[in-house]
Amino acid sequence: DAGVTQSPTHLIKTRGQQVTLRCSPISGHKSVSWYQQVLGQGPQFIFQYYEKEERGRGNFPDRFSARQFPNYSSELNVNALLLGDSALYLCASSLYRGTYEQYFGPGTRLTVT
Amino acid sequence: QKEVEQNSGPLSVPEGAIASLNCTYSDRVSQSFFWYRQYSGKSPELIMSIYSNGDKEDGRFTAQLNKASQYVSLLIRDSQPSDSATYLCAVNNDYKLSFGAGTTVTVRA
Repeated sequence: DAGVTQSPTHLIKTRGQQVTLRCSPISGHKSVSWYQQVLGQGPQFIFQYYEKEERGRGNFPDRFSARQFPNYSSELNVNALLLGDSALYLCASSLYRGTYEQYFGPGTRLTVT
Repeated sequence: QKEVEQNSGPLSVPEGAIASLNCTYSDRVSQSFFWYRQYSGKSPELIMSIYSNGDKEDGRFTAQLNKASQYVSLLIRDSQPSDSATYLCAVNNDYKLSFGAGTTVTVRA
């Protein structure tokens, strides 16, 4: 079975631009979470979506938004990019929301110049 | 106080030795605990999950959980060069994973 997929793999944007990152969960998984990982740190939670509804949000500004589609895939949008948004963006898939195991995709490396 | 703290690295162990990684967490109501392995430039890979007090073994890996002490550990037995990576401790609180900063392990031949 295919694991979590993310696109694109790498992305270079300039300050002030907008970006959309995409994620497809493991088949049968209904929950998708997004994390940001900067170099030298552990991933930081951004959002969790379950059954197409936002179930949790981390301490990120309103420039960050996301949604989940009927097929359980998800998009993360970041507006008005700042240099500090440069990071590895990770999507994680789990069967349901809650305390279940989360499996990460390969990530999207975003560089803001 | 950080939600999840790991012992600072890097940790260097000889091939065949035991690598011991420690993690403490602050939220007493945390219910599930995970160890992820992350190779340089790659995404985290789930290697162990533990939900109840005690030990859980999977191959060369043993996870230990003590909820009273709010402590989780990972032992890697018979360490191999392929175990060289950063190990992330993660604690699940309802919907989100909170991660430590990671401990980098180097297995030297």
